[in-house]
Amino acid sequence: EAQVTQNPRYLITVTGKKLTVTCSQNMNHEYMSWYRQDPGLGLRQIYYSMNVEVTDKGDVPEGYKVSRKEKRNFPLILESPSPNQTSLYFCASSRGGVSGTEAFFGQGTRLTVV
Amino acid sequence: ELKVEQNPLFLSMQEGKNYTIYCNYSTTSDRLYWYRQDPGKSLESLFVLLSNGAVKQEGRLMASLDTKARLSTLHITAAVHDLSATYFCAVDMIQGAQKLVFGQGTRLTINP
Repeated sequence: EAQVTQNPRYLITVTGKKLTVTCSQNMNHEYMSWYRQDPGLGLRQIYYSMNVEVTDKGDVPEGYKVSRKEKRNFPLILESPSPNQTSLYFCASSRGGVSGTEAFFGQGTRLTVV
Repeated sequence: ELKVEQNPLFLSMQEGKNYTIYCNYSTTSDRLYWYRQDPGKSLESLFVLLSNGAVKQEGRLMASLDTKARLSTLHITAAVHDLSATYFCAVDMIQGAQKLVFGQGTRLTINP
């Protein structure tokens, strides 16, 4: 089954404790992205990647890191989480390109930083 | 900076009625996407609109794109309860790069 898999689904952590949210897709997509969803703000892009070793900042990259060492994986790293990073996070992948295709989203990771 | 605005943000309607959700965006783009999100769930793609005048229909939903007016609409015909969800539009800022900017979402509630 074609899918985007995020782990963990729920995470409660303390301020300053480094964490990684994993994302993996099995559709051989070139493009992958991370978003955060907050009430009233829709989804805001954190980082996106157009291929292995090619990443760029989205609209809200501060406090986050990403890496794309393999095509299928795109982990999101919070080196020193703070309470304002409490949010619902989504990973997405797509073929992208000139023809433009829709993004497929993971199930989401609800992060709480206390 | 690209801004994407949806209206209304909340919509409560009766079954059987028609309504339209509007998505305005502030800069040139010819790629617009509509997604649906059920409570507590992920986002599901509804429509991909890739050119001026594009119109797509699926069941009771129809989406259109006017790139000159920088406007997309999502029209609901004869609404049914199953269409209750939050609907998002998203615009691709850089052609082909999937650098998406989302609207705030429209929470649609359809009452029997």
